[in-house]
Amino acid sequence: NAGVMQNPRHLVRRRGQEARLRCSPMKGHSHVYWYRQLPEEGLKFMVYLQKENIIDESGMPKERFSAEFPKEGPSILRIQQVVRGDSAAYFCASSPPDGGYYGYTFGSGTRLTVV
Amino acid sequence: KQEVTQIPAALSVPEGENLVLNCSFTDSAIYNLQWFRQDPGKGLTSLLLIQSSQREQTSGRLNASLDKSSGRSTLYIAASQPGDSATYLCAVYTGFQKLVFGTGTRLLVSP
Repeated sequence: NAGVMQNPRHLVRRRGQEARLRCSPMKGHSHVYWYRQLPEEGLKFMVYLQKENIIDESGMPKERFSAEFPKEGPSILRIQQVVRGDSAAYFCASSPPDGGYYGYTFGSGTRLTVV
Repeated sequence: KQEVTQIPAALSVPEGENLVLNCSFTDSAIYNLQWFRQDPGKGLTSLLLIQSSQREQTSGRLNASLDKSSGRSTLYIAASQPGDSATYLCAVYTGFQKLVFGTGTRLLVSP
């Protein structure tokens, strides 16, 4: 039973390019969460999705960031026109429908570097 | 707004010591609390989950306690080993769908 799979593990983008981060939840998990860890800062909630629905995006920056979790395939976090301040580790977590009752399972993260 | 604080921010101990990591949160209306371990450049490994109706959980050399009324949790590590060196993160569930993390305690255990 594979855990939460994130890819790529490392991603380098030049300023102004687009970054696409992928997350495949654990088998049987229908809820996906994205968190961001800026250098020397704690992890911060970004967005919570269920299949084909964004449930809570209160932590997403208002511009350039979007997330989706289609009926088929992984969840995607998309960052358009990246800037240096987007450099961070992006972690995805998944859970069954009862959310955090049994705790989230996190992936290994994608480390985005903007040059 | 829920805020989670971890003390100390960093800790260096010789191998074999028993140690306590502290976590405090400002709003006692939490659901669950989870302790994670993060190794440099790696992901988060869940250590212990304390559900809201529980007061403590144990796994091997680790024991975590939760006192919701006082807004505190402690992670106790017995007989520390160099392999325990990592950053330890405390996180509270403000609902079943959102985690608020502390900034972590960076632990170094020397041989």
